[in-house]
Amino acid sequence: EVQLVESGGGLVQPGRSLKLSCAASGFTFSDYYMAWVRQAPTKGLEWVASISYDGGSTYYRDSVKGRFTISRDNAKSSLYLQMDSLRSEDTATYYCTSEDGPYYFDYWGQGVMVTVSS
Amino acid sequence: AIVLNQSPSSIIASQGEKVTITCRASSSISSNYLHWYQQKPGAFPKLVIYSTSYRASGVPSRFSGSGSGTSYSFTISRVEAEDVATYYCQQGSSNPYTFGAGTKLELK
Repeated sequence: EVQLVESGGGLVQPGRSLKLSCAASGFTFSDYYMAWVRQAPTKGLEWVASISYDGGSTYYRDSVKGRFTISRDNAKSSLYLQMDSLRSEDTATYYCTSEDGPYYFDYWGQGVMVTVSS
Repeated sequence: AIVLNQSPSSIIASQGEKVTITCRASSSISSNYLHWYQQKPGAFPKLVIYSTSYRASGVPSRFSGSGSGTSYSFTISRVEAEDVATYYCQQGSSNPYTFGAGTKLELK
């Protein structure tokens, strides 16, 4: 059974940092691109970042470029999102997802809440 | 960025009714790159249809999709109570990947 389990969320002040982790199991992690998708409270879905199989290529939405860093450790079947210089508009539930085929998200974690507030 | 306009934003349907959601892209995309998700209240999203018309694993046959170019649709042939959810289209044709604003399906 595929499982993606996020951790590391919480309440953080604007301008501070937070690192999210995602532990994957039940599939060959290194065979998949991985991504983070977020959802602000009562809002829709928003792609944040993606990373290639070996971590050699990364992609970000403009609003997080230079502040967020996506990375992975295939030996640990883990995905990460380092979030620096956090803003109130980054407040959202962050989902870890696997990215397959023509760039769709097939497996999802339960999500982890990040609240940026003073 | 490619903008996806979903309509309607909400639907109230009776059990057994057919419902259709439309997703219009601001520029043409290959049908390979248009996908649909279901998000039930309080849950994470679930892939339902990928590449316009292919059902994801375990998805009932009452769910279907079609379209090309800039116009795509998602249909539930006979709505069931368990289909109450918000549905999103998503394009993987170009970076940044974008989602439609969602269509909330409720039962009458």
